[in-house]
Amino acid sequence: DAGVIQSPRHEVTEMGQEVTLRCKPISGHDYLFWYRQTMMRGLELLIYFNNNVPIDDSGMPEDRFSAKMPNASFSTLKIQPSEPRDSAVYFCASSFLSGFGNTIYFGEGSWLTVV
Amino acid sequence: GESVGLHLPTLSVQEGDNSIINCAYSNSASDYFIWYKQESGKGPQFIIDIRSNMDKRQGQRVTVLLNKTVKHLSLQIAATQPGDSAVYFCAEAGRLYSGGGADGLTFGKGTHLIIQP
Repeated sequence: DAGVIQSPRHEVTEMGQEVTLRCKPISGHDYLFWYRQTMMRGLELLIYFNNNVPIDDSGMPEDRFSAKMPNASFSTLKIQPSEPRDSAVYFCASSFLSGFGNTIYFGEGSWLTVV
Repeated sequence: GESVGLHLPTLSVQEGDNSIINCAYSNSASDYFIWYKQESGKGPQFIIDIRSNMDKRQGQRVTVLLNKTVKHLSLQIAATQPGDSAVYFCAEAGRLYSGGGADGLTFGKGTHLIIQP
């Protein structure tokens, strides 16, 4: 089975540029999560979707960040304009809530460096 | 605010020994806990989970213990192997699996487990 697929795996961009991160969740999963990981703050939930609808975006740092899920198999996280402090690993994760043991599966992450 | 935290940032054990990684949580409403393993350059990988109505759950070489009285969670790894070297995170979910909606997971900072040969 294919897991959560993220792209790009690595991106280096200049401050002020737009960054778009992509995610394909596991087929059949109805929840999709975007997390950010840094050494200082660990893993932080940015936003999550249920059935393609954004449910909670309170973790999104500021208006420069936006996320969309146009269909059940695709989501994007966009940063515009990017800043050096946005450098982090961004993880997409998905889950299917059907009772106990609803594991959240993570992708391999998108490593973003803003210079 | 509510938080999940780990007691030790680094744990070094001899290969073949048992490892115990501890985690404290503060949200008394948490009813579901998960341990994740993250190897260098990879995403967190599910290890084992436990619900608040349980005290113990066993998997293959791993055991999770939950003490709700003191809000403490631990992960025991038996006969550690070099492949166990990773950062281990505990995570808690409040309403996620209680029908009240999904909050995602709140992660601790992580413990780096180092296996000495």
